[in-house]
Amino acid sequence: QKEVEQNSGPLSVPEGAIASLNCTYSDRGSQSFFWYRQYSGKSPELIMFIYSNGDKEDGRFTAQLNKASQYVSLLIRDSQPSDSATYLCAVNRGSSASKIIFGSGTRLSIRP
Amino acid sequence: DAGVTQSPTHLIKTRGQQVTLRCSPKSGHDTVSWYQQALGQGPQFIFQYYEEEERQRGNFPDRFSGHQFPNYSSELNVNALLLGDSALYLCASNLGTGELFFGEGSRLTVL
Repeated sequence: QKEVEQNSGPLSVPEGAIASLNCTYSDRGSQSFFWYRQYSGKSPELIMFIYSNGDKEDGRFTAQLNKASQYVSLLIRDSQPSDSATYLCAVNRGSSASKIIFGSGTRLSIRP
Repeated sequence: DAGVTQSPTHLIKTRGQQVTLRCSPKSGHDTVSWYQQALGQGPQFIFQYYEEEERQRGNFPDRFSGHQFPNYSSELNVNALLLGDSALYLCASNLGTGELFFGEGSRLTVL
C-alpha cells in the first residue's frame, strides 16, 4: 500500500464547474496535509495546507480533512483553464516537517 | 529575495558514473530536502538535511548521499549511476513547516 494515494486521472472538468480531487494516506499518525500544484515542466508550488478535521477555505480552493477516514480532498470552485495542472497531495510523516511524502498526483484538465 | 536555486539544470551521464547536484535554499531557510521525480510520477523523498545532518531518509539505496554546508546549501551525490536514476531531481527548502519551496530541478539523463 502506498503511503499517499491519488487517482492519476486525467480528470476533465468544464470551465466554471467544481473540480474535486481526492487523496488517502496510510499513516494514521500523520498530522499535517498539503496540496501542491505542478504545471507541466515546472516545480510544485503550495496552494493549501490543513491540520485539523473539517474544511479550510482560501479563495476558490477548499481543503477537506477527515482523519478518521484518512482522507483529504481539494475542491476548486469556478474552475478556470489556468487551473489545468497536476495536483499533488502531500503528508507530513515526521516531526518539524522533516519528511513530506507526496502522492503520484492527479492530472486536472479544465475544458472551455 | 532569492528563491531556491539548483545546478546544473540538465546533465547527461553514463551508467556507472557519479554525479553531484547542488542546491542553495531560499534566503532564511535552514532545511533542505531532496526529491526524485520520474516522468508522470510524484516527487519521491530522498532525504532531508538540517543543521548539517541527515534528519530523515526515504527508501533510497546508499548510492544516494548528501551533504549540507554551514551556509545551508546542499549537495546530492549519486554513485554508480543506473539507467533508472534518470529523473528530475528537485531540491526544496523550508523553515520547519510543510511549506516547501522548490527549485526548478536538475534533469539527469543516464545513458
